[in-house]
Amino acid sequence: GAVVSQHPSWVICKSGTSVKIECRSLDFQATTMFWYRQFPKQSLMLMATSNEGSKATYEQGVEKDKFLINHASLTLSTLTVTSAHPEDSSFYICSLSTSYNEQFFGPGTRLTVL
Amino acid sequence: QQQVKQSPQSLIVQKGGISIINCAYENTAFDYFPWYQQFPGKGPALLIAIRPDVSEKKEGRFTISFNKSAKQFSLHIMDSQPGDSATYFCAATGTYKYIFGTGTRLKVLA
Repeated sequence: GAVVSQHPSWVICKSGTSVKIECRSLDFQATTMFWYRQFPKQSLMLMATSNEGSKATYEQGVEKDKFLINHASLTLSTLTVTSAHPEDSSFYICSLSTSYNEQFFGPGTRLTVL
Repeated sequence: QQQVKQSPQSLIVQKGGISIINCAYENTAFDYFPWYQQFPGKGPALLIAIRPDVSEKKEGRFTISFNKSAKQFSLHIMDSQPGDSATYFCAATGTYKYIFGTGTRLKVLA
């Protein structure tokens, strides 16, 4: 399967600051990538679909101005959490989709907002 | 109609036993059903997946059973090992967007 990396693996920031999370496809050219959020002991919640070269598609209830997504190349998508608050603390996971509808996930980024 | 219902929420199995996790869906347009294994603090890893043209798929100790008429599919882990202790998610999709189950926390006792 495809290999996906995320950076950083964990980040702690102060309330009001912005945090950027990178998602890289190491061996696959991904036209479509996804961003999920996962709270402790809960399932994955899709936040947005990131398409290379175009604007991301956000799920209902996800603030597009708060969670900025950029998919500038076939191997890199970034998620920026702007003006982060403690309630944004979560586990953020990206994935990419292959032509067979398979999704391969990154290792996740733990965000803690103080 | 977009939900995927997963059960049980948690499962404790003795080493060497069979772990069975069930999922049910409603949308008949779904045509791809993967299972993911997730360890604490890690991203989900694709374990095994099935399409509705087959009723069973086996990969090593992991088997998916698929019942199209009942709109149900299940994961069987044979000879369960302590290293299998993790959270398992089923999913379903008909396009590119996955609908995930709520997860099953499996603990295999040594």
